[in-house]
Amino acid sequence: EADIYQTPRYLVIGTGKKITLECSQTMGHDKMYWYQQDPGMELHLIHYSYGVNSTEKGDLSSESTVSRIRTEHFPLTLESARPSHTSQYLCASSKTPGTGGSGYTFGSGTRLTVV
Amino acid sequence: GENVEQHPSTLSVQEGDSAVIKCTYSDSASNYFPWYKQELGKGPQLIIDIRSNVGEKKDQRIAVTLNKTAKHFSLHITETQPEDSAVYFCGGDSNYQLIWGAGTKLIIKP
Repeated sequence: EADIYQTPRYLVIGTGKKITLECSQTMGHDKMYWYQQDPGMELHLIHYSYGVNSTEKGDLSSESTVSRIRTEHFPLTLESARPSHTSQYLCASSKTPGTGGSGYTFGSGTRLTVV
Repeated sequence: GENVEQHPSTLSVQEGDSAVIKCTYSDSASNYFPWYKQELGKGPQLIIDIRSNVGEKKDQRIAVTLNKTAKHFSLHITETQPEDSAVYFCGGDSNYQLIWGAGTKLIIKP
């Protein structure tokens, strides 16, 4: 049973449209992440958050924006979709460990196609 | 910062044989190393992890070994089955974030 939910699962949208990809988790994790991934390929970090009102850009340059108003919710917005945005978007969350690192829980992803 | 390299990018093994995927890391301060399995159309799922105070960890057919001196760790899958076909990612922690390897596509031949 998934504890992190992404909607929609699939989205086909026209160029220039504004879209928001939703991600919610019920585990109370403070850290959340957005990755862009072409199927079966590398995971590219595009945004992350260490808590409410905290957002940072990742390693991959992205034209998207994120917000973190509530602990459980971390939506990603594209103001003007382009064909180059066609990809899979994965959301993940983790908790701050006592020491060392901590595993991530991933959502099932949103497959975005911009036509 | 941390850099994680993963090899091979594709691995094809006969059903029933063993598979080994290797990762190296650069940051000697890293102490948490997970392995994730991603099946087609799904998000990655944690299958096994290891911390730096342990050299080996096993869970049924899968095991992970860690060599801190050489800064490398490996995933071992024994008696491979068709359902092991997937993309596998290794990770290393750095500043409370996971840095990922590029992934290995594991193909199980019947």
